[in-house]
Amino acid sequence: GDSVTQMEGPVTLSEEAFLTINCTYTATGYPSLFWYVQYPGEGLQLLLKATKADDKGSNKGFEATYRKETTSFHLEKGSVQVSDSAVYFCALSENSGYALNFGKGTSLLVTP
Amino acid sequence: ETGVTQTPRHLVMGMTNKKSLKCEQHLGHNAMYWYKQSAKKPLELMFVYNFKEQTENNSVPSRFSPECPNSSHLFLHLHTLQPEDSALYLCASSRAAGEGREILEQYFGPGTRLTVT
Repeated sequence: GDSVTQMEGPVTLSEEAFLTINCTYTATGYPSLFWYVQYPGEGLQLLLKATKADDKGSNKGFEATYRKETTSFHLEKGSVQVSDSAVYFCALSENSGYALNFGKGTSLLVTP
Repeated sequence: ETGVTQTPRHLVMGMTNKKSLKCEQHLGHNAMYWYKQSAKKPLELMFVYNFKEQTENNSVPSRFSPECPNSSHLFLHLHTLQPEDSALYLCASSRAAGEGREILEQYFGPGTRLTVT
């Protein structure tokens, strides 16, 4: 079945460092891919999405490119801030339905 | 109120209690979802409602009983739970699935932190 694998955390970075969180997926069809973020004490918020190969999703300085050849959707940010500390979830959805398959989440801690 | 709200935010209950979780969405959506978030595990989809009809039950034990009286409200009735049911329960909503290729972005509530003693 469909699944998402993302790097284990926690990831600890200094402010202004470059961030990469790896995400790879397994799917039978042509899924849509998402990154969600969960700040402490809150629910998940959609960060960005991509619906087809080579699409680049971007929001709040974060970017991820849908790579079909490597079945990946890695999250990047050029300069992280303390306020980016959160748990990041990669997810996919087959377009024939609406169930989201989530990865286990990667905790990010950014220190001043 | 905007977005998706959930009450209560925290709940402690004994294994013999009966309680209910409530979710309300103010986004005009027609699909609603219950997820379970446990430590060190991926989010688990529990139930899906599409236009008030349950369209997915992801092999959830019968001690969890969902109810969707209308497109804006979703409940999760709990009875005789086990300690391993302790988790964060998240509600989400989206537009309902229609015909053709479309992306159904889900909007999440803040969750109810449930502890079963």
